[in-house]
Amino acid sequence: SAVISQKPSRDICQRGTSLTIQCQVDSQVTMMFWYRQQPGQSLTLIATANQGSEATYESGFVIDKFPISRPNLTFSTLTVSNMSPEDSSIYLCSVVDGGAAEAFFGQGTRLTVV
Amino acid sequence: AQSVSQHNHHVILSEAASLELGCNYSYGGTVNLFWYVQYPGQHLQLLLKYFSGDPLVKGIKGFEAEFIKSKFSFNLRKPSVQWSDTAEYFCAVASTDSWGKLQFGAGTQVVVTP
Repeated sequence: SAVISQKPSRDICQRGTSLTIQCQVDSQVTMMFWYRQQPGQSLTLIATANQGSEATYESGFVIDKFPISRPNLTFSTLTVSNMSPEDSSIYLCSVVDGGAAEAFFGQGTRLTVV
Repeated sequence: AQSVSQHNHHVILSEAASLELGCNYSYGGTVNLFWYVQYPGQHLQLLLKYFSGDPLVKGIKGFEAEFIKSKFSFNLRKPSVQWSDTAEYFCAVASTDSWGKLQFGAGTQVVVTP
């Protein structure tokens, strides 16, 4: 299994600012993903974080708003840029362990934009 | 359009009662199916998964799910719940081509009363 650490676990931010969320995995993984869970809603995939290349974004999400870095096989960051109250959500990092055929999730970052 | 529907948003039941949570999906192509659970204050955990083979799959903590291809369903069951089963349950679907990219249902909040 993979153990995922996300930082920060929660934050309250002013509108118009940016927040970078870190995801650290205890083993090398090929695939890393970022999800968003808006209040009262389910998880929605934001993007696939690709090591050594640009992230692949899902429909409705763009790089300018959610830039992602993946410098190596154990680490990724998601930045929420120019935040508005609508960005208040829980952001989760997920990794896939191909051997276990399972996706693992971090504990999430609870973001509140005021 | 691809979608995952969970029939109940909120379920309350007593200990020892049986639990069944419905999940239907609309997805082109072959899929892998998952049920995840999120206990209060904890991260998402995999309950069980279906990739192929026996459509009745058994997971952790006494849970099982049945894949019925003709009905596009993957319902979760537990014969006798415990108070510790209080949690939110998510059904998720992924294409076999990119099974790490999960599409989640809206989730079902299950409350088990003593």
